[in-house]
Parts: sequence; C-alpha cells; structure tokens
Amino acid sequence: GQQLNQSPQSMFIQEGEDVSMNCTSSSIFNTWLWYKQDPGEGPVLLIALYKAGELTSNGRLTAQFGITRKDSFLNISASIPSDVGIYFCAGQELAGSYQLTFGKGTKLSVIP
Amino acid sequence: NAGVTQTPKFQVLKTGQSMTLQCAQDMNHNSMYWYRQDPGMGLRLIYYSASEGTTDKGEVPNGYNVSRLNKREFSLRLESAAPSQTSVYFCASSVLAGRAQYFGPGTRLTVT
Repeated sequence: GQQLNQSPQSMFIQEGEDVSMNCTSSSIFNTWLWYKQDPGEGPVLLIALYKAGELTSNGRLTAQFGITRKDSFLNISASIPSDVGIYFCAGQELAGSYQLTFGKGTKLSVIP
Repeated sequence: NAGVTQTPKFQVLKTGQSMTLQCAQDMNHNSMYWYRQDPGMGLRLIYYSASEGTTDKGEVPNGYNVSRLNKREFSLRLESAAPSQTSVYFCASSVLAGRAQYFGPGTRLTVT
C-alpha cells in the first residue's frame, strides 16, 4: 500500500532550538495529521490539516498541508525537554476514507 | 471528558485462550477503529466501524472479531490467542470518515 516517507528518522537538538520534520507521499492526500507518542502511551493528536496550503498552529507547533497535497511539515519552536517523543505523520489518501497511512516516525531527543 | 478509554491496560494470555479488549469514547463520534502497533511495522488497522451497526475489515483482520455494542463502545475479541498477536492494541475514534482520529492509551497484550 501507500507509504509515507517521514524524515528525519531521529534528531538530537539543544533545548531552545527550533525543529522541523516532514512527510512526503507519491500520491495525493486529502488529510494530513500529526501525532506525538510518548513511551507507553497512545498517539496524541497535535494538528489536523484538511485543505491544501493550510497552515495551522497549536502553541509552539506549526504544521502545513503542502500545496501539491503530497507533503506536510511540522515545526516546533523553542524546544523544551517535554517535547521528547516520537512524532508521526498520518494521512488519508482517499476522500472520506477510514484508512490512515502512517509515517514511521521521527524520534526527537532534547538535550537540556 | 475522558476521550477514548481502553481496558485492560495490560494482559498476559496463554496460547489458545480468548479475551475481549474494551473501548469506549465519550466524544459522540460516529466512527471507531482498532489498531495494533508492532516494532518496525507501525500502526496497522485491524477493524473499523464507520457507524453504529456496521463493521469492516482493515489491513490485518485475521484472528480477530469486533462488536460495535452502541455508539460509544467498540470491542475487539481474540477467540484463540496466538503468540503472533503479542502487540500493543489501540482503539481510536473520529467524528466522521476523513476526519482526525483520536487514540486511547492502549492495551499491552502478551501471548505466551
């Protein structure tokens, strides 16, 4: 099935730095979602994007639905230690579909 | 407002035993989902329920059955557990198809 390419796989940053990660696909997606998962917990929805070009913020997080509908990025500004975790992108390829396609995740480590 | 709740949090089964994983949501969502998460495989959809009274197979349905008991509750049953079903199981819900899915905290199942 469709795969989402999420990069980078992992990153180590200093506290206070900004972070950027992205997801790309080979086909058009109708919805892009960004989740964070802490060890032993379920994925928590961070941002949902439903329109091409949409730019949405949630506190220090900002995500965009790419104009081509084949990519999305997530930025975290001024990182703090609690930002540590795995960030997943997910998308729905078909309009009205129940199936989500997930990226493999970006593991973020923040050095105090 | 608890969101999506799952019981139990942990379970150990012997091969051949049966059990039911429970899921409930209090967000008045129409659609509910069961996923499993395995290292290196990511999240995979087992079954989903588009609305009360309907269920459909996802990517990996073999060995599982589901019941949409009412709008709030969606259970997953393992009739004869196998070691290959050792995994973390997540329930999720969304208001409609194509909208963001909200995940529960997960059930960690080990089959020996």
